[in-house]
Amino acid sequence: DSGVTQTPKHLITATGQRVTLRCSPRSGDLSVYWYQQSLDQGLQFLIQYYNGEERAKGNILERFSAQQFPDLHSELNLSSLELGDSALYFCASSVVAGNTGELFFGEGSRLTVL
Amino acid sequence: AQSVTQPDIHITVSEGASLELRCNYSYGATPYLFWYVQSPGQGLQLLLKYFSGDTLVQGIKGFEAEFKRSQSSFNLRKPSVHWSDAAEYFCAVGARDTNAGKSTFGDGTTLTVKP
Repeated sequence: DSGVTQTPKHLITATGQRVTLRCSPRSGDLSVYWYQQSLDQGLQFLIQYYNGEERAKGNILERFSAQQFPDLHSELNLSSLELGDSALYFCASSVVAGNTGELFFGEGSRLTVL
Repeated sequence: AQSVTQPDIHITVSEGASLELRCNYSYGATPYLFWYVQSPGQGLQLLLKYFSGDTLVQGIKGFEAEFKRSQSSFNLRKPSVHWSDAAEYFCAVGARDTNAGKSTFGDGTTLTVKP
């Protein structure tokens, strides 16, 4: 158990819909990262938050957005869903903002868009 | 930009045999280097990391990795594989000197262990 909690574990929805994925980081970790894992793209970095502020952005689509709340949990919002958005979405947390910290991953939220 | 290449998509070894998983990185300087393991249905777990110092690093579960600057490599090794080591392994590189950390991951190597 990494201490990172992601909900829901599985989600099935239709194209055009909007979903929200939630992540609670490890106690004491200020950084939250979102990654997308798909068969054709591998593990892709989406976005990082540190103590409530966006710190780094990766290959995140405009249809996707995220935020980190004062209690440090984070949400990833995916809208106007397309078939290609089907993937496993991981949240990871770290104590620090930079790369010296180990990333602790949640078990992921598997999104299926039909 | 940093990048990671794991040349082997799939490797099969017999239980008790030695293992080496290859990782090559591209980065302008010496990066931070990591190996993670992902078991089916699980998130990624850190096996080991290299920041500086001794180029041979020891990790959990009997794994080790060697940083070779001249070859831009960070190969993962284990002298004797156990059936429970079957999983997917990811090499990752992280930039130094930044307050914005994001590790770039390779495409992963799937390890199958034969009895």
